[in-house]
Amino acid sequence: QVTLRESGPALVKPTQTLTLTCTVSGVSLGTSAMCVSWLRQPPGKALEWLARIDWDDEKYYNTSLKTRLTISKDTSKNQVVLTMTNLDPMDTATYYCARAAARQWWFDPWGQGTLVTVSS
Amino acid sequence: EIVLTQSPGTLSLSPGERATLSCRASQSVSSSYLAWYQQKPGQAPRLLIYGASSRATGIPDRFSGSGSGTDFTLTISRLEPEDFAVYYCQQYGSSPAISFGQGTRLEIK
Repeated sequence: QVTLRESGPALVKPTQTLTLTCTVSGVSLGTSAMCVSWLRQPPGKALEWLARIDWDDEKYYNTSLKTRLTISKDTSKNQVVLTMTNLDPMDTATYYCARAAARQWWFDPWGQGTLVTVSS
Repeated sequence: EIVLTQSPGTLSLSPGERATLSCRASQSVSSSYLAWYQQKPGQAPRLLIYGASSRATGIPDRFSGSGSGTDFTLTISRLEPEDFAVYYCQQYGSSPAISFGQGTRLEIK
């Protein structure tokens, strides 16, 4: 059974950089066709996809946020890391990581999410 | 970017009734690359349907998806108490430029 768990700071100041970690269990990130995405959901609002990294290290980004995002993975730790620079209060959201299969872009399963608040 | 509009915003029904949720795309969604998710308060979304009509693993058969092009529907044949939640559609036909609808809240009448 594949599970994902997000971790990171609950509170970040404006202009700072956010680093989030997704720890994957039940499958190796090096397994063919294993892909992990980051998504977010501001309080009471809809979902937004942010970035994705595939087993072969192919990376994809939301074009509107591309300049602020970096996604990477550490296969030895089975972790995927997302960094987001220059945070703004509008970035306050629950951040999720989720699995997708190769060439597919639906997400299953999801981690439980981590709430990040951007405030001074 | 393909914009998805879900309707109604809120749907009030009773257990045992049939629910019909709509998702309309601003452009045709290629190959019916549309998914549906269920989200309960304080929980992560759960995949229900992918490819417009394929049920995800473990999803009860009272959930069904249909549609193509720009118009898609999620139907719950007989509502169970645990089905009251927010439902989101997602298109991935223009990946990686994927997008989600704004959600339909299904509440108990």
